[in-house]
Formats: sequence, structure tokens, C-alpha cells
Amino acid sequence: DTEVTQTPKHLVMGMTNKKSLKCEQHMGHRAMYWYKQKAKKPPELMFVYSYEKLSINESVPSRFSPECPNSSLLNLHLHALQPEDSALYLCASSQEGIVGGGAEAFFGQGTRLTVV
Amino acid sequence: GEDVEQSLFLSVREGDSSVINCTYTDSSSTYLYWYKQEPGAGLQLLTYIFSNMDMKQDQRLTVLLNKKDKHLSLRIADTQTGDSAIYFCAEIFNTDKLIFGTGTRLQVFP
Repeated sequence: DTEVTQTPKHLVMGMTNKKSLKCEQHMGHRAMYWYKQKAKKPPELMFVYSYEKLSINESVPSRFSPECPNSSLLNLHLHALQPEDSALYLCASSQEGIVGGGAEAFFGQGTRLTVV
Repeated sequence: GEDVEQSLFLSVREGDSSVINCTYTDSSSTYLYWYKQEPGAGLQLLTYIFSNMDMKQDQRLTVLLNKKDKHLSLRIADTQTGDSAIYFCAEIFNTDKLIFGTGTRLQVFP
């Protein structure tokens, strides 16, 4: 199983809503990542969790709140988003984390988020 | 800086070879990657190369690395219509971040 599963695939939310994106992997990977990708742009790193601890936060606004409840799950809690936050949100995982030696990062299919 | 540059667009005829180029920034990057993204989909890892290698071949894919010029290329032999996608190179920046290039849209026509 080399899959990273993200749910939901599509999400439309209002600016006052609270929602969560979910990501799951069962490859025993100990590093998990959130990326944001705007149309026609490369993915941009948001957060990195290593061994269930937040190791990198790329100065992401607090309306995005990551959570890693266990080694297989990664959530991204969303609150009071703006229309410019509409994007494809990609989750990835790797065996030990980039620092551990450049292990392959496997990506999910993404959640396409639209903020109205 | 973290800019990883690629040409925006490449158009090739089916059956020809495609060469996608990438210029990266961090000379200490240990691994360099090529990812493929089809419309509306996530990223698929195609191949990667360790920085002490000059070349890596994997079926139709050949990766060339010129560390002196910080230049990476991906050659796809016998390009097929199913290869049409956006291709991203990626480097490890500052040892702890996977940074993507600007992406090259490959269009394959019959």
C-alpha cells in the first residue's frame, strides 16, 4: 500500500465556517506534510510533522491549524478562511522526513477547497 | 533564495523524445526529484537522483544532473499522449524542505 488518502476530494465553505481536511497513510511513514497549490503554480510547503511533532511551520496564518493525532493521520483545521485561500491542498508523507536523507515523498490526490 | 526555475511549456510530437530542464538553487541538495501532475490530481513521483550521481535511467526516463551548473534534466523517450501533464522538479532546500520548481506543462500531439 503506497497510498496517501485525502478526504474530502472537494470542499466548499463559507468564510465563517469551520471545517477539517484529513489525510491518512498506512506505510509507516513518520513524516507528514501539508502543501498548498494555487492554479498554475507549484506546491508550497505549509507544515511538516516529524514523529507526530510539528517541525516546520512556514509562517502560515493561524486560520490554518494542523494536527497530527497519531502517526497515520494528519488533519488541517480551517476557520475563518478568505476567498484567496481557495486552492488544492496536498498532503504527503515520507519514511523519515527530508532531513533523514531525502526519502521519497508520496502525495495524496489533494482536496480542492473553494472559499465563498 | 529558493527559486527553482523551469521553462513553462513544451510541445512534442508523439514518439519523439521530450527534454524538460530545471535549474535549482541549493548546491547542498542531496536528492533531486521529478514529479508528474495530471490535471486536477496530486503529484506522482517519477524518479529521483542522488547528488553524487550524474545520470540515472529508469525505463523511458533518463535524469541528467550537472552539479556544477545546478542543472537537472528529465528526458522522456518515445513520448506518448499519456505523458501530457505538468512536470515539477524538486530539491531539498536547507536540508529540510522539499521545494518545487515552477513546473513545465508538456503537451504531446499526434
